[in-house]
This record gives sequence, structure tokens and C-alpha cells, in this order.
Amino acid sequence: SAVISQKPSRDICQRGTSLTIQCQVDSQVTMMFWYRQQPGQSLTLIATANQGSEATYESGFVIDKFPISRPNLTFSTLTVSNMSPEDSSIYLCSAIGETYEQYFGPGTRLTVT
Amino acid sequence: AQSVAQPEDQVNVAEGNPLTVKCTYSVSGNPYLFWYVQYPNRGLQFLLKYITGDNLVKGSYGFEAEFNKSQTSFHLKKPSALVSDSALYFCAVRDMGTNAGKSTFGDGTTLTVKP
Repeated sequence: SAVISQKPSRDICQRGTSLTIQCQVDSQVTMMFWYRQQPGQSLTLIATANQGSEATYESGFVIDKFPISRPNLTFSTLTVSNMSPEDSSIYLCSAIGETYEQYFGPGTRLTVT
Repeated sequence: AQSVAQPEDQVNVAEGNPLTVKCTYSVSGNPYLFWYVQYPNRGLQFLLKYITGDNLVKGSYGFEAEFNKSQTSFHLKKPSALVSDSALYFCAVRDMGTNAGKSTFGDGTTLTVKP
């Protein structure tokens, strides 16, 4: 199994600022993803983080708003840019291991004021 | 396109009784199916998976699920529920033939086990 850590665990940010969330996996994984989740609701996939190249974004999400990096197999960052209150959510990092299980980080709870 | 349906927003059972959380799916190819549990203020934890082989799969914490291809279902079950099983449960499907490994998650089912 893989253990995923994220930081920060939570943050309160001002409108118009940016926040970068870091995700570290303790073992090699095949794929990494970033999700958004409102408390008690389902997950919305933001993008697939590709190692050494541009992320693949889902419909409704764009690179200018959510730039993602993945410089190596086990580390990725998600930046939430020019934040508005609508960006308040839980952001989850996720990775798929070699035996197909998908692992999740504990999440970053973002509040934009 | 792939999709998952969890028809029940909420399931309530008494401690010690069997529980079932329902899931149906749709994929164009062969499905990989998963169940995850999320406790309050925590990330999702993997419970069990079906990739191939035996239709009945066993997972963590005494949970099991049965893959039914004809009914396109993958219901989560446990013979005897515990209060500590109370949580939010997500079913997910992945079509390894397409979508490059992306999973589609259901809307979640809140399980409440009462003492």
C-alpha cells in the first residue's frame, strides 16, 4: 500500500490570492490525480498529474486556475490561483499503485474569505 | 463513458444486523470495481476491489462485495454491522480499456449503525 501526505492540512485564504498544496507519496505509483470534494459529497476529478509534462485537465478545470506539477513519480503540487469563495472545498491528492488500488491523501481543507 | 450509481443516500442498520450498500455500474469494457470508506474529516480509505477471478471479494474490516456481471452490480456487504462502521461509503469503477486509469465515483452512501 501507499501512504499519501498532504500539506497544508487546512488553510484560510483571502480572495485573489493563491495557495499551493503539496502531495508526497511514500512509494512509487503509476498515476497521480487531484480531486475536489465538498464535505459529505462525491469527488470531482480536477486533473491527472503527469510526470514531467503538463497535467491533463477535466472539463471545467483549466491550467491557469489550477496549475499542477509532478516533477517525479512520488511528488505533485496543485496551486489554486486567484481564489474566490467558490474555491472553498477539500482538495484531495490521489495515486494508483501497481495493484490497481487508488490511495488518497487526508485532504486539504481550503476556506476562501 | 463509465458511470456508477449508489441508489441510496443513506442506509440505517442496527448493530449486529447484516448490512448491504448497493452499487451498480456501467462501462464499455471490463470493469475494475472498488469500494472506499470515508470517516469524518478523513481521506478515503480503500476497502476492497474486484479485478478478475472470484466474484466474491473480501476486504478490510470484515467487508465483502459480490460482482454480478449480469446485473452490473457490486454491492458491499457485512454479516454483522458495528457502530464503528458508520461512515460514508463510495463505490468506484474504472474501465482499464479506456480513460487511462481514471475512476468514476458514486455519490456516496452514508451508513449509520445504531447500537
